[in-house]
Amino acid sequence: SQQGEEDPQALSIQEGENATMNCSYKTSINNLQWYRQNSGRGLVHLILIRSNEREKHSGRLRVTLDTSKKSSSLLITASRAADTASYFCAAPPSKLTFGTGTRLQVTL
Amino acid sequence: DVKVTQSSRYLVKRTGEKVFLECVQDMDHENMFWYRQDPGLGLRLIYFSYDVKMKEKGDIPEGYSVSREKKERFSLILESASTNQTSMYLCASRRQGQLDYTFGSGTRLTVV
Repeated sequence: SQQGEEDPQALSIQEGENATMNCSYKTSINNLQWYRQNSGRGLVHLILIRSNEREKHSGRLRVTLDTSKKSSSLLITASRAADTASYFCAAPPSKLTFGTGTRLQVTL
Repeated sequence: DVKVTQSSRYLVKRTGEKVFLECVQDMDHENMFWYRQDPGLGLRLIYFSYDVKMKEKGDIPEGYSVSREKKERFSLILESASTNQTSMYLCASRRQGQLDYTFGSGTRLTVV
C-alpha cells in the first residue's frame, strides 16, 4: 500500500515559472518528506515537514501541510532547467513508501 | 561526503540465475532498505533491515531474500531470476531515530 500519491503525474513549465505539486496520503503521519529523482538515478531528500508544522521553506522550495485534508504541496519558485526531475512525497509511519511521482519538465 | 553505494549501475542476467545486488553505506546507519521502481508503479518496498542480522518483509518480498551480516552492507538476492524482476533497484539507509533516508544511485537489472 502506498502512503503518498502525487498529483499531477506530469507537469511542463517554462524556466522562471513556479511549479506546484500535490501529495495526498491516507493515514496519520508524524512527518512528510519530499524527494527528487533525476532521470535514472537515486532519490535525493529535499525537505521534511513535521505534522505540527503548516509551512516550511528551504531556498526556492516551499512545502505546506494540511493534516485535516491529509495533503501536502511542494512549490518550486523561479524554476530552472536543472529542476527537471521526478518528485516524490513519502509519509512514513515506520518506513517510507512512495507513489509514482510528479515528472517535472522545465524548458528554456 | 556520506553515501550509499550500489555495486553495479547496470546488470544483465539470464533467467534462472541467482543474482546478488550489493549495497554498502559508510554512515554507520542502522536501517537499510531495498526498493524496486517500475514505470506506473512507483517505488515498492521489497525488504528492510533495522540492524545487523535483522530483516523484515516489505510489500513485495516474493522471489527475493536479503542478507545483513555486517552493519554497512545489505544484499538483495534473487534466488532464481525471472523476466518480471527486470527493474530499477534502489537501496536506501537511515540512521535510527532520524527521519530522512539516503539513497544509492540504483541498479538497473535486466533479466533475459
